[in-house]
Amino acid sequence: DAGVTQSPTHLIKTRGQQVTLRCSPKSGHDTVSWYQQALGQGPQFIFQYYEEEERQRGNFPDRFSGHQFPNYSSELNVNALLLGDSALYLCASTLTGAFSGANVLTFGAGSRLTVL
Amino acid sequence: QQQVKQSPQSLIVQKGGIPIINCAYENTAFDYFPWYQQFPGKGPALLIAIRPDVSEKKEGRFTISFNKSAKQFSLHIMDSQPGDSATYFCAASLWFGNEKLTFGTGTRLTIIP
Repeated sequence: DAGVTQSPTHLIKTRGQQVTLRCSPKSGHDTVSWYQQALGQGPQFIFQYYEEEERQRGNFPDRFSGHQFPNYSSELNVNALLLGDSALYLCASTLTGAFSGANVLTFGAGSRLTVL
Repeated sequence: QQQVKQSPQSLIVQKGGIPIINCAYENTAFDYFPWYQQFPGKGPALLIAIRPDVSEKKEGRFTISFNKSAKQFSLHIMDSQPGDSATYFCAASLWFGNEKLTFGTGTRLTIIP
């Protein structure tokens, strides 16, 4: 059973460029969340997608946007890249079912973005 | 008010010892406190979690102690093994909507044989 898969695993961009990162959730999961993990830091919540809509958002500027597709996969887009956007971007998936409560998040291995 | 403070930043323990990692939170609305384990090149994986209605939870060699009045919680690893060497993150969130986790800064744990 494949877990959360992310692509690409590594990429290098220059300041001002745009980047798209992709995530396929674990089989059976319908909710995707994105996190940014700077070197030596804990992950920071960017946003969450459920039913193709953004449901929660962290403290990130509008340069960070996302999308969820009908097959539950998701994309994270970052425009006008800054040096400070260099980080590991993690995707986490879960199943938002009839039970309302804490859901176990399954994280992917991440996409490491370097901005030069 | 959204911070979760974690200490120590790094920890070296002999095999069989009991490493202890501490966290403190500020937002009293938080009611879900998980710990994640991350190996190099991997994403974080849920280790154990607790809610504030209990003061302690054990799963195998891992124990969470929770002090609601002090707004602190800690992870203890019993009979630690070299395979436990990893980075550990505490986190906090609301029980409903826990996808929005607030993480600590992490503790790099090394267990020496």
